[in-house]
Amino acid sequence: QVTLRESGPALVRPSQTLTLTCTVSGFSLTARGMGVTWVRQPPGKALEWLALLHSDGEVYYNTPLGTRLTVSRDTSKSQVLLTLTNVDPDDTATYYCARAPMFAGVIFFDYWGQGALVTVSS
Amino acid sequence: DIPLPQSPSSLAASVGDKVTITCRTSQSVVNYLNWYQHKMGKAPKLLIRAASILQSGVPSRFTGGGSGTYFTLTIDNLQPEDSATYYCQPTYTSPYSFGQGTKLEIK
Repeated sequence: QVTLRESGPALVRPSQTLTLTCTVSGFSLTARGMGVTWVRQPPGKALEWLALLHSDGEVYYNTPLGTRLTVSRDTSKSQVLLTLTNVDPDDTATYYCARAPMFAGVIFFDYWGQGALVTVSS
Repeated sequence: DIPLPQSPSSLAASVGDKVTITCRTSQSVVNYLNWYQHKMGKAPKLLIRAASILQSGVPSRFTGGGSGTYFTLTIDNLQPEDSATYYCQPTYTSPYSFGQGTKLEIK
């Protein structure tokens, strides 16, 4: 059974660093063609794709976030980490991680965590 | 990051109706496009992958079509539980950004 679970702080102060953890089970982070992605949804806004970590370790980022965003993994713990530096209130959102396999060249997000609401406020 | 345009941005329909949502990309993405359903307070759900492949467990009244730069999601025989926001997502190349969303209300 494939599951993903986000964990991390619910409240972060402006200019601080947000770190979220996605713990996965039911699949391997290093399986060929597999990936894990991060998506967020600010209140009242559309889904925003943030980054995707491939099984080979390569990470693709949504460039508007610039160098503030880093995604990494700890394969021994089956975890994918999202680190967002210098947060501001615009980073307030529900953050989701999802499994991102590739089949016949097409990447899709088939299993999702329940999401973690993060509020940036002083 | 400017969301991909979807049409319409919102619509209201009745139970039993048929609705179609469209998504246009600026350049060809072949068939590398997915559709998701998102209900408030829940995780997004994959409906269609690779433009027309129905994801396992999704009712057959959901149909995806199109290729290149024009794609459609059609929902036949609308049910109350179809009330949600629907997103397209091309994944031909990074960034794998979502469409702006189409909010569907069941009257």
